[in-house]
Amino acid sequence: DSGVTQTPKHLITATGQRVTLRCSPRSGDLSVYWYQQSLDQGLQFLIQYYNGEERAKGNILERFSAQQFPDLHSELNLSSLELGDSALYFCASSVGGRYAQQQYFGPGTRLTVL
Amino acid sequence: EDQVTQSPEALRLQEGESSSLNCSYTVSGLRGLFWYRQDPGKGPEFLFTLYSAGEEKEKERLKATLTKKESFLHITAPKPEDSATYLCAGTQGGSEKLVFGKGTKLTVNP
Repeated sequence: DSGVTQTPKHLITATGQRVTLRCSPRSGDLSVYWYQQSLDQGLQFLIQYYNGEERAKGNILERFSAQQFPDLHSELNLSSLELGDSALYFCASSVGGRYAQQQYFGPGTRLTVL
Repeated sequence: EDQVTQSPEALRLQEGESSSLNCSYTVSGLRGLFWYRQDPGKGPEFLFTLYSAGEEKEKERLKATLTKKESFLHITAPKPEDSATYLCAGTQGGSEKLVFGKGTKLTVNP
């Protein structure tokens, strides 16, 4: 158990809908990262928050957004969903503020868009 | 563009048959090289971080090494429970994000 929690475990929804994925980091970690894992692309970095502020952005679509709250939990919002958004979405956390720290991953949310 | 390439894509071993997985990277200004293990449908589990060429780290039957251009994950006398996908990732200076390879799927037969 990494100490990172994610809810829900599974989400099944229809094209055009909007969903919210939730992540709670390990106790004491200030940085939260979101990754998308699909069969053909592997693990892709989406976005990072550090202590409530956006720190870095990767290949995140404009239809996707995220935020980190004062209690440090984070939410990833996916809207106008398309079939191609079906994937595993992972949250990871680290202490943050320094480079090359290990990140601890949550169990993931499996999103299926029908 | 920063890239991490892993080989082979898949590897089948007999229990006790040692082997190595390769990770080559073209991450400019590499700050850290990470190895993770991922079981099907689960999140990646952290194994090792390597920071400089020549560094080695060990954990049970696994040993990770780093050169200037690549990293190896050596598996000695593997057991069926070592079956998983092994992921390699790098970070560069100025960024905390991980750039992942596509992984090597290891199957160890009893």
